[in-house]
Amino acid sequence: GESVGLHLPTLSVQEGDNSIINCAYSNSASDYFIWYKQESGKGPQFIIDIRSNMDKRQGQRVTVLLNKTVKHLSLQIAATQPGDSAVYFCAEIPYNQGGKLIFGQGTELSVKP
Amino acid sequence: EAGVTQFPSHSVIEKGQTVTLRCDPISGHDNLYWYRRVMGKEIKFLLHFVKESKQDESGMPNNRFLAERTGGTYSTLKVQPAELEDSGVYFCASSRSGAGDTQYFGPGTRLTVL
Repeated sequence: GESVGLHLPTLSVQEGDNSIINCAYSNSASDYFIWYKQESGKGPQFIIDIRSNMDKRQGQRVTVLLNKTVKHLSLQIAATQPGDSAVYFCAEIPYNQGGKLIFGQGTELSVKP
Repeated sequence: EAGVTQFPSHSVIEKGQTVTLRCDPISGHDNLYWYRRVMGKEIKFLLHFVKESKQDESGMPNNRFLAERTGGTYSTLKVQPAELEDSGVYFCASSRSGAGDTQYFGPGTRLTVL
């Protein structure tokens, strides 16, 4: 069935290092992908998105890469800071399904000072 | 502009009781979504309203769950009777338009069924 999954449930990095969070998806019909950040006690917060006609998109300190050949999505965070500690979810929106998000399990990022 | 709000933030009830969760979307957002995250698992879609109409309720687990959005503003999600497996965090999200528009999430309601 349709699923979006993450390779690692936890990731620990040193402050200042770059972080890479990975995600695999199975629905080749999806045309829109989003990364969300969830801090403790809060709801998921939009970070960055990418359409299926792109393979890379950059934001402030974050970059999302999309490899449609292997159905792989990644989030790169440059110069990771303690405030980046959170659970990160990838999500996809399958084409023509009204906009519902299909989430992956989530990766917990821990930043060591 | 106020974000999506949810009430209550926490609810602890006993099996067999009824609980009603409320979501107030961002003003002007016609699209309202309910999701839930059961312990240790991914966030899963429950249903989608466009204004007061249910656009997609394919994620609703069973008929113990009832969602409404009278008047197309706030929404309620009632669980009756609650079971142990209903425990989790229930999120509401809203967007101005449908597919492809950013969904803004509320802080969630943590439901514990004992």
